[in-house]
Amino acid sequence: GNSVTQMEGPVTLSEEAFLTINCTYTATGYPSLFWYVQYPGEGLQLLLKATKADDKGSNKGFEATYRKETTSFHLEKGSVQVSDSAVYFCALRGTGGFKTIFGAGTRLFVKA
Amino acid sequence: SAVISQKPSRDICQRGTSLTIQCQVDSQVTMMFWYRQQPGQSLTLIATANQGSEATYESGFVIDKFPISRPNLTFSTLTVSNMSPEDSSIYLCSVNEKGAEGNEQFFGPGTRLTVL
Repeated sequence: GNSVTQMEGPVTLSEEAFLTINCTYTATGYPSLFWYVQYPGEGLQLLLKATKADDKGSNKGFEATYRKETTSFHLEKGSVQVSDSAVYFCALRGTGGFKTIFGAGTRLFVKA
Repeated sequence: SAVISQKPSRDICQRGTSLTIQCQVDSQVTMMFWYRQQPGQSLTLIATANQGSEATYESGFVIDKFPISRPNLTFSTLTVSNMSPEDSSIYLCSVNEKGAEGNEQFFGPGTRLTVL
C-alpha cells in the first residue's frame, strides 16, 4: 500500500540556517504530494503541494520538488526563522484517491 | 477554500464517559473525514463520513467505539464512546473540496481531548 517516510526529529537549527527535511514515498501510479505544517497549539495547514513529477511546490520561502526517479519530496528553506518552529508532515494522496496518508511528522525548533 | 469549525475545541473527560464532537463546514462537501492525532504522533484516518449512509471505518476502528453521523453535506459528528486514557488525542475533521488545481483537503482546528 501507499506509505510516506520522513526523517525523524526533532531538528534544531539556528536562525538563518538552511533547512532540509527528507521525505520519501511508496505509491503506485502518480500520487499528489503535500507538506503540511502544524504550529504549536494549532490545527493542520497546507504548506505546499505538487501534483506531478518535476513540479516544484513553494510557499513562504519553503520549496519541495516532486522527484519520481527517487520517489522523494524533500522540504527545503534557505533561511529559517524562529517563527518556523512547528511540526512538518509529508503526505500523499493516491492517483484518483481521496484519502491522504501522512508521514510521522518532523518537529523543527529554530533558536534565535 | 472550505472553512471548518469544530466544537468543542478541547475537553477533559472522565474514564467511561462519551464525548460527541461536532464538525461544521461553510459549504456543501461530498467527502468528510475524521482523523485522530495521538500525542506526538502523526494523523491516522478513523473513518469517512458518508452522507445518508453508514460511515466507512479504517482498520482498527469500529462503529461501536466511534459512531459517526452525517445528516447533511455540511455537518458531521464523531462520538468517542466509553473513553479511556488511551483515547486522549486531537480529533480532526477534514473535507475534500474541488479547487482550481484539483481536489484539495482542508482540516478543522481539531478537538483536544484529555481522558482522566
